Amino acid sequence: AAGVIQSPRHLIKEKRETATLKCYPIPRHDTVYWYQQGPGQDPQFLISFYEKMQSDKGSIPDRFSAQQFSDYHSELNMSSLELGDSALYFCASSTLGTEGTEAFFGQGTRLTVV
Amino acid sequence: RKEVEQDPGPFNVPEGATVAFNCTYSNSASQSFFWYRQDCRKEPKLLMSVYSSGNEDGRFTAQLNRASQYISLLIRDSKLSDSATYLCVVGREAAGNKLTFGGGTRVLVKP
Repeated sequence: AAGVIQSPRHLIKEKRETATLKCYPIPRHDTVYWYQQGPGQDPQFLISFYEKMQSDKGSIPDRFSAQQFSDYHSELNMSSLELGDSALYFCASSTLGTEGTEAFFGQGTRLTVV
Repeated sequence: RKEVEQDPGPFNVPEGATVAFNCTYSNSASQSFFWYRQDCRKEPKLLMSVYSSGNEDGRFTAQLNRASQYISLLIRDSKLSDSATYLCVVGREAAGNKLTFGGGTRVLVKP
C-alpha cells in the first residue's frame, strides 16, 4: 500500500541557509501534518493543512512557512536556519474515517544544521 | 502542564511478563485516541486506535476512561521486539485538527 513519502531523507545545511522539505501524502488523504522531533524529544506539532488550507498551527517558528498544493503534497520551507533546527521532521497524513483521524507518518527528513 | 502526559519510563520488563502504562489528557473535547510505537530514529507507527469500549489486538489491549481522562495500554507475554517507545496520541474527530502527542513511554524487554 502507498505510504507517506518524504524527501529528502537526509539534509545537511549551514547556519543561515534555507531548506525545503517535501511531503507526499497517502492518496485520497486530505490532511497533512508536520512535526519536529529533536533528539530525545517527543514529536512537536508544527502545522497542519486540510484541503490545501492551513487548519492548525503549533510551535512553528516565524522563519518557517508551509503550504499544501493542489495535488495535496506539502512543502515546509525553512529559512535562516539555526543549529537548534537540527531535528527529524515528520510529515503525516490522514483523512476522517469511521475510526477517527488515524495519521500515518512518513519516514522523516533528518535535518542537520552545521 | 502538557496536554497529553505519559510516564517516560523506562519500564524494564522481563520477557514473557505483562506491562501496562497510562496516558492522561487534559482536553475534554478530545475524541480520538491512539497508541503509536516509535523505534529509535524511526517514524511513529500506528499500533492501535482506542475505542470507548476498549479493544484488543493480539497481545495488546487498550482502554479509554473518559471520566478520568486517561487511556491505557497493556502488553501481555512481552517479546524482545516489543522494546520501543509507545506514544499516546490524542485528537479531535473533526477533519483537519491536529493530533497531540504525549512524551512517550519507553519499554525495554529483557531476556
